Amino acid sequence: DAKTTQPNSMESNEEEPVHLPCNHSTISGTDYIHWYRQLPSQGPEYVIHGLTSNVNNRMASLAIAEDRKSSTLILHRATLRDAAVYYCILSPAGGTSYGKLTFGQGTILTVHP
Amino acid sequence: DSGVTQTPKHLITATGQRVTLRCSPRSGDLSVYWYQQSLDQGLQFLIQYYNGEERAKGNILERFSAQQFPDLHSELNLSSLELGDSALYFCASSVDDRGEQYFGPGTRLTVT
Repeated sequence: DAKTTQPNSMESNEEEPVHLPCNHSTISGTDYIHWYRQLPSQGPEYVIHGLTSNVNNRMASLAIAEDRKSSTLILHRATLRDAAVYYCILSPAGGTSYGKLTFGQGTILTVHP
Repeated sequence: DSGVTQTPKHLITATGQRVTLRCSPRSGDLSVYWYQQSLDQGLQFLIQYYNGEERAKGNILERFSAQQFPDLHSELNLSSLELGDSALYFCASSVDDRGEQYFGPGTRLTVT
């Protein structure tokens, strides 16, 4: 499985934008980029995913570099509820891995009031 | 609330015992996934079922087994339990065999 590299931790202030980076230099052409987050004492929560183009949804935006070797999850206005561990995950579109998600260590996001 | 339910919430048992964890997917979802989260190993994929059939397998121990029933709920059976099996076990579901996954609240297993 292609690997991702994320900073161990990041901090933000409430109501400010947050840019969470992810490096995936060995990504293959058919790998999707997924982001999940895990709030304290909860199961992981789907945030967003994309293949090549930037993606937006009600929770966040995903900016994918042109060479696809990195991506950035953007939270437009951080709230205290966004404090969580954020995981950047690559998932192949085909093959026998199907929906298997390989979680790394993720980035611990702290949001200050 | 993701719509995925897991029972029980907590389970305390002794080494050598066998337990069954249950998962009900979101309405309409055909795939069920099981994950284990421990302090030293992080979140690890165990196994995936799609519409009753095993679809993908991760680092699932031979002492562990799972199945998905015709009503699409799933059970994870853990036998000959060891102290190291203490962990949070999450179930997730998705509409198809590779879509976005919705996770349940987890079952915390403590083996004493």
